[in-house]
Order: sequence, then C-alpha cells, then structure tokens
Amino acid sequence: AAGVIQSPRHLIKEKRETATLKCYPIPRHDTVYWYQQGPGQDPQFLISFYEKMQSDKGSIPDRFSAQQFSDYHSELNMSSLELGDSALYFCASSSAPGLLDEQFFGPGTRLTVL
Amino acid sequence: KQEVTQIPAALSVPEGENLVLNCSFTDSAIYNLQWFRQDPGKGLTSLLLIQSSQREQTSGRLNASLDKSSGRSTLYIAASQPGDSATYLCAVYVDQAGTALIFGKGTTLSVSS
Repeated sequence: AAGVIQSPRHLIKEKRETATLKCYPIPRHDTVYWYQQGPGQDPQFLISFYEKMQSDKGSIPDRFSAQQFSDYHSELNMSSLELGDSALYFCASSSAPGLLDEQFFGPGTRLTVL
Repeated sequence: KQEVTQIPAALSVPEGENLVLNCSFTDSAIYNLQWFRQDPGKGLTSLLLIQSSQREQTSGRLNASLDKSSGRSTLYIAASQPGDSATYLCAVYVDQAGTALIFGKGTTLSVSS
C-alpha cells in the first residue's frame, strides 16, 4: 500500500539558510499535517491543511510557512534557520479533517542546522 | 490545555513477559486516541486507533483500551519479543485544538532475549 512520502530524507543546512521540505500524501488523502520532533522530544504539531486551505495551526514559528498544492502535496518552507530548528520533521495525511480518520505518518525529514 | 502523560518513561522486561503501558490525558473531551511505535531515529508507525465511542481495539498481540471518563488508555503487549523494543507513543485528537494530535513523551521499551 502506498504511504506518505517525504523528501528529502536528510538535509544539512547552515544557520540563516533556507530549507524546503516536501510531503506527498497517500493517494485520495486530502488533509496534510506537519509535526516537529526535537531530539528526545515528543512530536509537536506545526500546521495542517485541508483541501489546500490551512485548517489548524500549532507552534509554527513565523520564520516557517507552508502550503498545500492542487495535487495535495505540501511544502514546509523554513527561513533564517537556527540551530534549534534541527529536528525530525514529520508529515502525516488523512482522508478527512481529523475526527474519525487516522493520521498516517511519513518517514520524516531529518534536518540538521550547523 | 490538554496534556498527555505516559508512565513509565522506560521499561525493561525479559522476553515472553506480558506488559502494560499507560497513557493518561487531562481533558476527557477527546475524539480519538492513537498508539504509535517509533524506532530510534525513525518514523512513527501507527499501531492502534481507538475512536471515542470505543473501549478497546486489538491487533495481534496488542490490545489498547480507552476509558474516557477517567482519562486513561492502556496498551497491553502479550508475550513480548526483542523486536518489540522501541518507544511507544500515545496521542490524542482534541476538539479544542482542531485536528492536531497531542503526543505524550513515550515509553521506551527494551525486551531482552
């Protein structure tokens, strides 16, 4: 069965650089979620999109932005990177906004900021 | 604000033991509760999803229960195996927070052969 695809899997950036993470949801899933997991931490919700509109917002820094495109894939854009942005970034998808449907997670993108 | 707590933070057991992982949440107004497994540095694998109207779900050697009124869920693992060694995360869907999952900090399980 198709799963959530994230690219790249690993990314190394310098401080103050920008990064773009991509997420391709499971086919026919219309909702995408982004989570950040710092070292030794639990995943923290950043932002979600349903039918290309932002549906929920969590602890996403102003330096980050995201969008969902017409083919339902999503991109997380991160600017002015800081050392503290080093983390595992997960994308998840579901077939409806939350209530009854399960979120399926991708393998994550490991971002290292030097 | 919803908070999810998992006890114990770490657990070591010999192979073959049955074990219980605990998850508690402060706000009983949840929709669903989901248990995940995470191997070191890896992604999240969904194990079981319990809808708010359900009391338990089973998958193979795993059984998860949900008691909304007391704000508790348990994950029961039968006949543990070394391959079960991982971190187990509990997460809840909360009405007030919209569609986001609120995670606990996990229980790191080590099963020795």
